[in-house]
Amino acid sequence: DQQVKQNSPSLSVQEGRISILNCDYTNSMFDYFLWYKKYPAEGPTFLISISSIKDKNEDGRFTVFLNKSAKHLSLHIVPSQPGDSAVYFCAAREGGSEKLVFGKGTKLTVNP
Amino acid sequence: DAGVIQSPRHEVTEMGQEVTLRCKPISGHNSLFWYRQTMMRGLELLIYFNNNVPIDDSGMPEDRFSAKMPNASFSTLKIQPSEPRDSAVYFCASTTTGSYEQYFGPGTRLTVT
Repeated sequence: DQQVKQNSPSLSVQEGRISILNCDYTNSMFDYFLWYKKYPAEGPTFLISISSIKDKNEDGRFTVFLNKSAKHLSLHIVPSQPGDSAVYFCAAREGGSEKLVFGKGTKLTVNP
Repeated sequence: DAGVIQSPRHEVTEMGQEVTLRCKPISGHNSLFWYRQTMMRGLELLIYFNNNVPIDDSGMPEDRFSAKMPNASFSTLKIQPSEPRDSAVYFCASTTTGSYEQYFGPGTRLTVT
């Protein structure tokens, strides 16, 4: 049973436009949500996070939105750049635990 | 400052052989995690340690898998005997207690033929 789902395996956008990556979860006990970025032959690297008590967190071109009632979060990248092309993983942490549960990832391609 | 170090980066072995993957966490981090990434299952947690003690091994697929952390700067993940379905990329990650941000190593790509 997947607790964190990324239903789009891939996404392609033009340089300069907005990229929106989506993630759904089922566990109401998750208290932190994170996005990781992964380039080929490298490990995932932390990108941005949001606490369950907030609905938005922004860091430069990256913004994460959380809709707790819908159990949905999204990552917005504006403007998208070719260097953003990577696999993006959504992850969630259950309160009181150090474990992260990851989605299967969405491969973003930003075309010049 | 060095990140998480994993060795080897690539491993090709024959079915039935023993495989040992190694990890050196970031100095000062006291939690260590082993993950496996496959196309089918994505990135799944196998086991994690806190202060060198295994806390949760519920993700270890079967008895063929074992992990140890003899000290704060070294951990191993062993598969004995290995099977073709173990082929995957294995990641090690570390963090400090209470932090939600985990730092990943570059991974070991394991191929079992």
